[in-house]
Amino acid sequence: GQQVMQIPQYQHVQEGEDFTTYCNSSTTLSNIQWYKQRPGGHPVFLIQLVKSGEVKKQKRLTFQFGEAKKNSSLHITATQTTDVGTYFCAVPTGGGNKLTFGTGTQLKVEL
Amino acid sequence: NAGVTQTPKFQVLKTGQSMTLQCAQDMNHEYMSWYRQDPGMGLRLIHYSVGAGITDQGEVPNGYNVSRSTTEDFPLRLLSAAPSQTSVYFCASRQQGGTGNTIYFGEGSWLTVV
Repeated sequence: GQQVMQIPQYQHVQEGEDFTTYCNSSTTLSNIQWYKQRPGGHPVFLIQLVKSGEVKKQKRLTFQFGEAKKNSSLHITATQTTDVGTYFCAVPTGGGNKLTFGTGTQLKVEL
Repeated sequence: NAGVTQTPKFQVLKTGQSMTLQCAQDMNHEYMSWYRQDPGMGLRLIHYSVGAGITDQGEVPNGYNVSRSTTEDFPLRLLSAAPSQTSVYFCASRQQGGTGNTIYFGEGSWLTVV
């Protein structure tokens, strides 16, 4: 079945440093979604990317979809303690009726 | 709006016991699903439903049953709990008609099987 590799698994940064997580697929994707899960919380939808080469921004967060639609990245500029959590990418599978999640990148931000 | 409501939030079961995790949504979403989350493994799809009366298996369906008698409710049943089913369970829903619609997650149910 569809596999989505997400790296790194963990990332510790100092507050103010940048952070990037990557998602890679072996097959071309119709779209990719990104979610954030705070410690002890539930996943919350951040954004969906659909077009080849698409770049979307949400304040300090920049999302990119690769030209070949096989990879994506989430970049956070100048991290803050509020950015702590696990970031997941998710891709449609099973004819679109299933959503397969990457293994997530756990971000810790130290003061 | 309550969104997606899961009960119970915490549960401890003995091996071999059965129980049902409840999930209800008030957004009139056709699509509902159950995921389990284990450390280092992300979220894995257990079962899903695209509408009342229709259910299908996800990635890890063994040991779990579901039913969808109404649009609002999608309970997950563990028939004979095993320690391997210790996990956090999330129910989620969205509009049907494409994965382009935002998925809304419940707050999770923490299950421990001893």
